[in-house]
Amino acid sequence: DSGVTQTPKHLITATGQRVTLRCSPRSGDLSVYWYQQSLDQGLQFLIQYYNGEERAKGNILERFSAQQFPDLHSELNLSSLELGDSALYFCASSVQPRAYGYTFGSGTRLTVV
Amino acid sequence: AQTVTQSQPEMSVQEAETVTLSCTYDTSESDYYLFWYKQPPSRQMILVIRQEAYKQQNATENRFSVNFQKAAKSFSLKISDSQLGDAAMYFCAYRTGLSGGGADGLTFGKGTHLIIQP
Repeated sequence: DSGVTQTPKHLITATGQRVTLRCSPRSGDLSVYWYQQSLDQGLQFLIQYYNGEERAKGNILERFSAQQFPDLHSELNLSSLELGDSALYFCASSVQPRAYGYTFGSGTRLTVV
Repeated sequence: AQTVTQSQPEMSVQEAETVTLSCTYDTSESDYYLFWYKQPPSRQMILVIRQEAYKQQNATENRFSVNFQKAAKSFSLKISDSQLGDAAMYFCAYRTGLSGGGADGLTFGKGTHLIIQP
């Protein structure tokens, strides 16, 4: 157990639907990062939050949004889903100082049918 | 923007042998951190080893070591005495060392699939 909790582990939904992925960071970590890993792709950075505020955006579609709540958990909302959104979505939280990198959750496998 | 390149989509090694995975990166920064992550079939991302750019000494973690060549912007991973459990995707990653309120996310390479032959 890495200490980063992602729910659900698996999600199957239809095109056009909306889903919410949830992430609880490691205790004490203020930064949360979301990544998308498609079948033949590496990890694509989506968005970063720090202590409730958005810090950086990567290749996140306008149909996707995220937020970090006061208790530091984060949610990634995916709407108007398309087949191409099927992927593994990772959440990671940052250990300070920076040198230690990230601790990743086990991911949410999203399948859009 | 920083980029990370892993030129070997797949590597194969015999059990108990040594294998080296390549990684190069492009950056204009002088302060940064480099990482190797392992992703086994379970898809969990596991930190293998990290290197601070300001340290000349190459990092080592048991059977895993790196060859960090800052001037060449190269960061290869050497796995000694390969074991069946080492079979996985390996990702090289870069993180800025800049402080302040800016982004500090990881930039990943596309990965190398390591196969261990028994």
